[in-house]
Amino acid sequence: RKEVEQDPGPFNVPEGATVAFNCTYSNSASQSFFWYRQDCRKEPKLLMSVYSSGNEDGRFTAQLNRASQYISLLIRDSKLSDSATYLCVVNFSGGYNKLIFGAGTRLAVHP
Amino acid sequence: EADIYQTPRYLVIGTGKKITLECSQTMGHDKMYWYQQDPGMELHLIHYSYGVNSTEKGDLSSESTVSRIRTEHFPLTLESARPSHTSQYLCASSKTRGGAAFFGQGTRLTVV
Repeated sequence: RKEVEQDPGPFNVPEGATVAFNCTYSNSASQSFFWYRQDCRKEPKLLMSVYSSGNEDGRFTAQLNRASQYISLLIRDSKLSDSATYLCVVNFSGGYNKLIFGAGTRLAVHP
Repeated sequence: EADIYQTPRYLVIGTGKKITLECSQTMGHDKMYWYQQDPGMELHLIHYSYGVNSTEKGDLSSESTVSRIRTEHFPLTLESARPSHTSQYLCASSKTRGGAAFFGQGTRLTVV
């Protein structure tokens, strides 16, 4: 079982749609959580951190459920420019402390 | 914008050559990482470092080696390049305790 699992998609949605991505992680001792965005042939870029209380940044909302070891990202009013791969990232603590990336979920927003 | 730089951006080299991919960051981050990514595929961690003189192998076995003599510098070396090493190599850094990672623009390596 992978340490961080995501639905690979692709999610094909029209402009203006609301879309949600899910991510599960295996290590209950994980302490930090993030969503990254990666455009084709570019480096990943931090989209937002994920906090236990949930957090919002404009059209983007991130949620964390520690009991279920589950993270989500909601994108409202999708734009063409939102088309990218969204990576769920978990910082595993304990004996080692490194960032583990999910395989990513592809989003394609069409007119 | 993150202050982490990779050189070269693109490299085409013959089989058997020794290559070093450079990565430098000016953020004073203790932790640095090397990831390998093929087109359309997921990121694989190949090396990481907690700080000066600390290096660890990642989850994906790699024939490359790394060194961390200075905080800001984390070069990756391939002693003898092979076509199977063709890939994109991404360097990243983060603060020690649970911080987000920031990536360089990557080096796209092609071994012919």
